[in-house]
Amino acid sequence: AQSVTQLGSHVSVSEGALVLLRCNYSSSVPPYLFWYVQYPNQGLQLLLKYTSAATLVKGINGFEAEFKKSETSFHLTKPSAHMSDAAEYFCAVSPIYNQGGKLIFGQGTELSVKP
Amino acid sequence: KAGVTQTPRYLIKTRGQQVTLSCSPISGHRSVSWYQQTPGQGLQFLFEYFSETQRNKGNFPGRFSGRQFSNSRSEMNVSTLELGDSALYLCASNRDGETEAFFGQGTRLTVV
Repeated sequence: AQSVTQLGSHVSVSEGALVLLRCNYSSSVPPYLFWYVQYPNQGLQLLLKYTSAATLVKGINGFEAEFKKSETSFHLTKPSAHMSDAAEYFCAVSPIYNQGGKLIFGQGTELSVKP
Repeated sequence: KAGVTQTPRYLIKTRGQQVTLSCSPISGHRSVSWYQQTPGQGLQFLFEYFSETQRNKGNFPGRFSGRQFSNSRSEMNVSTLELGDSALYLCASNRDGETEAFFGQGTRLTVV
């Protein structure tokens, strides 16, 4: 069975500092991996996805993530945090053979950005 | 291009009642998935419909059901509402064969 673990339910950084949100997955087959962002009272917006092409994936808003099979990790980073990055971030996994919609999400990490 | 549209945005129901939520996917998307989001359990997959057929199902009781119409619009129904059903219900649509899911803004259901 697949699962996703996000380390740290709350992360706080200063504006301009590095953002690092951690995600580890468990999957018996190579997965697709995703990071989504959710602003208050909104749905989820896709930041980036890994689908077995390049291991370093660049997304929107300056975010990127690196797939490391040996560590079963897919951590999200951004070199310099902006106040507008404050939101909740979700890592998700989908089996590579999945024909569509089913995603398994981590518990989420709330990112706070201090001025 | 219009995104995924969910109606209504907010809903208050009484225990024991039933409720129907609606989701209109992005034009051309035939896969529609539903998720329940609560502070305690996080985001949990309910079910997925593709071409009017349920293709995947999560671990929810039979009180939760769904359907999809020929125009790909989907509805989910919850019968005999319980307080624990209070949640944000999110709908997502995918283009056939694509992994990227596009989410609606959700329906906030409060059961009193």
